[in-house]
This record gives sequence, structure tokens and C-alpha cells, in this order.
Amino acid sequence: GAGVSQTPSNKVTEKGKYVELRCDPISGHTALYWYRQSLGQGPEFLIYFQGTGAADDSGLPNDRFFAVRPEGSVSTLKIQRTERGDSAVYLCASSLVGGQDTQYFGPGTRLTVL
Amino acid sequence: QQQVKQSPQSLIVQKGGISIINCAYENTAFDYFPWYQQFPGKGPALLIAIRPDVSEKKEGRFTISFNKSAKQFSLHIMDSQPGDSATYFCAASRGHKLIFGAGTRLAVHP
Repeated sequence: GAGVSQTPSNKVTEKGKYVELRCDPISGHTALYWYRQSLGQGPEFLIYFQGTGAADDSGLPNDRFFAVRPEGSVSTLKIQRTERGDSAVYLCASSLVGGQDTQYFGPGTRLTVL
Repeated sequence: QQQVKQSPQSLIVQKGGISIINCAYENTAFDYFPWYQQFPGKGPALLIAIRPDVSEKKEGRFTISFNKSAKQFSLHIMDSQPGDSATYFCAASRGHKLIFGAGTRLAVHP
């Protein structure tokens, strides 16, 4: 079956602009995660959704970052007033039930802030 | 604070050799330790995972060794193949939040 998909695959924006990154999880997966991966580093947790609600947003770096999952499937990560330090690969993952269930990652969106 | 430390940063192994990657963790509350494999341009994919109630888990050519008292765990890749060339991440969690190591870039030369 189809895996986790993310769009766009690449996004180049200018400092100060607003961006939206989209994640389509595996069908039927109730849990969805966003991670950020900087060059040469491991993924860093941002936020975890169980259904429509954000069960843990402790990894969001500041209030410029926000994510939604209004119907419990597709999720959008929103970044306001982008900064050069936001440049990274943003990974989305989903799992069937959450908790320590296997997380399946998408290919990521590479965000470059000029 | 880096909660999961991974070494080495990079590793070169000859085809047929054994690749060994080590990780150490700080938080004794962690109770799930997966290893992920990542190819360029792809997301990480779960390779193998272990819980602290066992000291070793083997799946095919991949083995995790776990030392609870030392708070260390390692990945062994037996009979390494060029197709194993990738970046490997260890991780640890208690609950849903995976804490990843910085990664090891493995190159297996033919």
C-alpha cells in the first residue's frame, strides 16, 4: 500500500515568509508525528497528533510553528515569519495506534529559507 | 542536552565484514530502543528494535545488543553488503516521542 507522502518535496522561501508543509499519512493510521532533521543530525521531535488533537506539542521550537490535523488524516505544518535557521528537512511519520507502535516516515520536505 | 549519543559518525567496512554502531543513553526511563536506516532522499525506516527486558535481538544479518546496566546498546550488521550503505540512527523512547542519535554514515566497499 501507499506509504506516508509529503508535499512539496522541496520548498525555497525568503526570510519572513509563511510556509505550509503537507503530510498524508498511511490510511487508517490514527497517530501522526512531525520531526525536523537538520543537516548531519538525527530527526528531532516536533509534535504528535492522536486523531485530530495535538497530544504533545512540546517539541515545537516557538510560537512561529503550528500544526493542524482537522479531520484526523492529513496534517499541515505551518511556519510563520520564517528564519534562515528554520532550514531543514521536515519529516512526517504515522503509526497505527500511537504510543510505541512503529513509526513510518515519509520522504520529507526540504525547506530552504534564503 | 543530548540524551542519546551515537558513535562513530562514519564507518567504512569491506564487503562481508561486520559493521558495529554504538549508542549510549542517559534517561533510565527509556524502554524502547529502535534502529532506523535512512537512504539519501528518503525518510528513516525501522530496521530492528529492542526492549530492555532482553539483552540481544537478532533479525537476519542485524543484531541489537543491549546492556541495561551500562545504558548502552549497539547494532551489529553481519556480512555487510554494499546495499547496506546508508545512514543509521539509534533512538530511544518512553511513549511516543523518539529521541534520535546523530547518525552513523556507513559505507560498505565491494
